Amino acid sequence: GENVEQHPSTLSVQEGDSAVIKCTYSDSASNYFPWYKQELGKRPQLIIDIRSNVGEKKDQRIAVTLNKTAKHFSLHITETQPEDSAVYFCAASIGPYNQGGKLIFGQGTELSVKP
Amino acid sequence: KAGVTQTPRYLIKTRGQQVTLSCSPISGHRSVSWYQQTPGQGLQFLFEYFSETQRNKGNFPGRFSGRQFSNSRSEMNVSTLELGDSALYLCASSPRGEETQYFGPGTRLLVL
Repeated sequence: GENVEQHPSTLSVQEGDSAVIKCTYSDSASNYFPWYKQELGKRPQLIIDIRSNVGEKKDQRIAVTLNKTAKHFSLHITETQPEDSAVYFCAASIGPYNQGGKLIFGQGTELSVKP
Repeated sequence: KAGVTQTPRYLIKTRGQQVTLSCSPISGHRSVSWYQQTPGQGLQFLFEYFSETQRNKGNFPGRFSGRQFSNSRSEMNVSTLELGDSALYLCASSPRGEETQYFGPGTRLLVL
């Protein structure tokens, strides 16, 4: 069935260290993979996304890698800062979007960056 | 552009009642998706509307329904509320033909 598994569920790092969150998806037809950051009491905010025709994408301290063969993708945050502390969600698209595709989300990773 | 807005922000209802939540998408966005967020189940897809048509639906009972108006604003309705319906209900809008979804602040529903 449609499923996205996300690990770890919690992650604690020291300020300045790197953080890596991994997701695995089940639908081989998935072609869009966004990552959202949700701070306590706030809406999920898109931080980076990647499409299936790209293997890696970077935006300043954030990068995402995609391995379509293995059906997994990862979020990498370098030089972490206390303001990076939040819950991070990965997601994968299910079905072609112009036919009502939807996003299936992972269970979330609570990242804590200690000063 | 103004972001996605949702009303009301908070609701308290009792079991058996029904509730209607509203979502106004970003100007120009024609797709609206709804999600339920709970601590135990995470973010779960409810349904997606485009040009007043429901294009996809998640695995929720028929008590959950929605609609979209010609101005792309969307409403979702939950009838015969149960305690387990307590959750944060998020809507997200997207431009036609793109998967990038932008979330609203959510409506927090508490069922007593």
